Order: sequence, then C-alpha cells, then structure tokens
Amino acid sequence: GDSVTQMEGPVTLSEEAFLTINCTYTATGYPSLFWYVQYPGEGLQLLLKATKADDKGSNKGFEATYRKETTSFHLEKGSVQVSDSAVYFCALREYGNKLVFGAGTILRVKS
Amino acid sequence: GAVVSQHPSRVICKSGTSVKIECRSLDFQATTMFWYRQFPKKSLMLMATSNEGSKATYEQGVEKDKFLINHASLTLSTLTVTSAHPEDSSFYICSAPHGLAGTNEQFFGPGTRLTVL
Repeated sequence: GDSVTQMEGPVTLSEEAFLTINCTYTATGYPSLFWYVQYPGEGLQLLLKATKADDKGSNKGFEATYRKETTSFHLEKGSVQVSDSAVYFCALREYGNKLVFGAGTILRVKS
Repeated sequence: GAVVSQHPSRVICKSGTSVKIECRSLDFQATTMFWYRQFPKKSLMLMATSNEGSKATYEQGVEKDKFLINHASLTLSTLTVTSAHPEDSSFYICSAPHGLAGTNEQFFGPGTRLTVL
C-alpha cells in the first residue's frame, strides 16, 4: 500500500538557519503530496501542496518540489524563525480524500 | 478558512467506561469526516471514514464495535470509545474535507487527548 517516510527528529536549529526535512513516498499511481504543520496545542494545518510531478508548493517561506523520479517531496526553508517550531507532517493523497501521513518531524528553533 | 472543532479537548476516564468525542464543522457542511489516532512520536493512523446517512467505513484492524462512529448531521460526527482500556489512551483527531471536488483540502480539528486509567 501507499506509504510516506520522513526523517526522524527532533531537528534543532538556530534562528536563520537553513531547514531541510526529507520526505519520500511509495504509491501505485500519481498522488498529490502535502506538508502539514501542527503548532503546539493546535490542529494540523495545510502548509503547502503539489499535485503533479515538478510542481513546487510554497507558503510562508517554505518550499517543496514534487520529484517523481526520486519519489520525494522534501521541505525546505532558507531562514527559520522561532515561530516555525512545530511538528511537520508529509502526506500523500491518491484516491478520494484519504490521506496517508508520515511519522512527523519535530522542529525546534532556538533564538 | 474552514474550521473544525472537537470536544472535549481532553478526557480522563476509568477503565470499562465509554467516552464520546464530537467533531464539528463550524462553517461548512461535510458529508464525510475522518477519524485518526495519533500515537506518541508516531504518525496519524486513519481509523475510519464517517459518512453522513450511512455506515462508517473502518480501516483494516480497527474494531467497529470498539470505536462506534455516528455521522449525525452534515456538521457533526461522533466517535465513541466503548469499554475503554488503558491501551485506548491516545490522541484522537478528526478532519473534514472542504472545497471543490478533486481539489478539496482537509481541515483538522485540534484533537482530543484520551487517558484511560
């Protein structure tokens, strides 16, 4: 079945550091790919998405490119802030509304 | 954006009792809602799809009689954990899709922390 693998955390960075959180997927078809963020005490929020190969999703300075050849959707940000501290989930959707999530990566940004 | 609420945010109960968790779409209607379970340091595991007007669809390995789901209206789905045991302690999250078919986005509730003593 479909699956998502993302790098284990926690990831601890200093403010203004470069962020990469790796995500790879396994799917039988051509899924849509997502990054969700969960801030402390809040529900998951959609951060960005890409629906086809080579699409780049971007939001709030975060970017991720749908790479079909490497089945990857790595999340990047050039300069993180303390307010970016959260749990980040990579996910895919292949059929209907059903989402398959990765394990989540905790990001801690220190000032 | 669309808002999904959950109630209660946290609940502590004794082993053997039943607990009901509500999921509401506050400003949109949802014929489908999803229930997830999140284990510590683990991913969200889809438990079931709640369907308004029909039976819920459960994922493989999820006990239907243990986790009762009722989609009472177009804005409310409930998850009842029956005869709860300590191993049912977890974080339960619901979501509802909203938007155009094929491009809709999932909106998540803030979750309910269940602790069974």
